[in-house]
Amino acid sequence: RKEVEQDPGPFNVPEGATVAFNCTYSNSASQSFFWYRQDCRKEPKLLMSVYSSGNEDGRFTAQLNRASQYISLLIRDSKLSDSATYLCVVNKEGFQKLVFGTGTRLLVSP
Amino acid sequence: DVKVTQSSRYLVKRTGEKVFLECVQDMDHENMFWYRQDPGLGLRLIYFSYDVKMKEKGDIPEGYSVSREKKERFSLILESASTNQTSMYLCASGGGTANTGELFFGEGSRLTVL
Repeated sequence: RKEVEQDPGPFNVPEGATVAFNCTYSNSASQSFFWYRQDCRKEPKLLMSVYSSGNEDGRFTAQLNRASQYISLLIRDSKLSDSATYLCVVNKEGFQKLVFGTGTRLLVSP
Repeated sequence: DVKVTQSSRYLVKRTGEKVFLECVQDMDHENMFWYRQDPGLGLRLIYFSYDVKMKEKGDIPEGYSVSREKKERFSLILESASTNQTSMYLCASGGGTANTGELFFGEGSRLTVL
């Protein structure tokens, strides 16, 4: 079983739609959680951290459910520029050693 | 603007050749990492370093070695390249604690081994 699992997609949505991605992780000792964004043929970049209480950054909302070991990302009012692959990332050890999911691809169309 | 620079964007090598991939960061970060990214497998950690001259194996270190002689530079070495090492190689650096997830990545080096 993979340490971090995501639906690869693609998720095809029209502009303005709301879309949600989930991610599950296998190690209950995981300490911290993140979403990264990777544009086509580009390097990954941090989108946002995920906190136990849930957190929001503009149109993006991230939530963590430790009991069920899943993380979610909600994107409201999707823009064309949101088209990218979203990587779920987990830090399982007391060091900056991150485990990346394989990513969920989002395509936003006009 | 913070930057992680990888020396080569594209390389083509032959089986058995020695390959050096260089990475330099200008953020004075302690931690540096080498990942490879393959379709369907995502990013997998090869080696990392949390200090000069220190190195730790990641999840897939076989066939690779690294060197960190200076804080800003982390090199990945393929002693004898093989076709299954054809991949996108991503270097990253980070200066935070365990709970700081921000790694800064270079643009990647796409290696093809013939």
